[in-house]
Amino acid sequence: DQQVKQNSPSLSVQEGRISILNCDYTNSMFDYFLWYKKYPAEGPTFLISISSIKDKNEDGRFTVFLNKSAKHLSLHIVPSQPGDSAVYFCAAATGSQGNLIFGKGTKLSVKP
Amino acid sequence: DAGVIQSPRHEVTEMGQEVTLRCKPISGHNSLFWYRQTMMRGLELLIYFNNNVPIDDSGMPEDRFSAKMPNASFSTLKIQPSEPRDSAVYFCASSFRAVTDTQYFGPGTRLTVL
Repeated sequence: DQQVKQNSPSLSVQEGRISILNCDYTNSMFDYFLWYKKYPAEGPTFLISISSIKDKNEDGRFTVFLNKSAKHLSLHIVPSQPGDSAVYFCAAATGSQGNLIFGKGTKLSVKP
Repeated sequence: DAGVIQSPRHEVTEMGQEVTLRCKPISGHNSLFWYRQTMMRGLELLIYFNNNVPIDDSGMPEDRFSAKMPNASFSTLKIQPSEPRDSAVYFCASSFRAVTDTQYFGPGTRLTVL
């Protein structure tokens, strides 16, 4: 049973608009969450993270929101750019020594 | 630094053959991870090492898979014998210390077992 779920395999957004990528988790022990971005034929690259003591973390155009009661996090990209087109993975861990559990990814396409 | 280096980038082999994937982590990183990506299961952690010692290998699918880290700058993932269901992209990643430190991924090895 998947502990980290990204229920939308794909998302298409117009350039300049907001992209919202969602992630749900089932394990209430997770206390650290990350987003990775992956281009074709490359390894994933770290994008942004949030710990469970926060409900929001912002880095430039990227903001991650965490709703612990709903066991839900989302990544907002504003404004979206064609270069943001990639697969986005949500990941979660328990403490600093827990394994990173990844979702299956959401493929974002930003159209000019 | 050149980042995490993996070789080969592509490997095509026949069922029953031994396959060895190689990884050179970023210098100074103490943790190394092996992941497998498939359409069905997404990105799964197979095993991770800290200071060259295997910490958690619960993700290793079965005894056909083995991983070693003889020193801080080199690791191997071996599949013997290989099967068609092992076809996937295998990623190596390294981080400075803990699992939740930013992990830097290599470009991956695309393995096809015929």
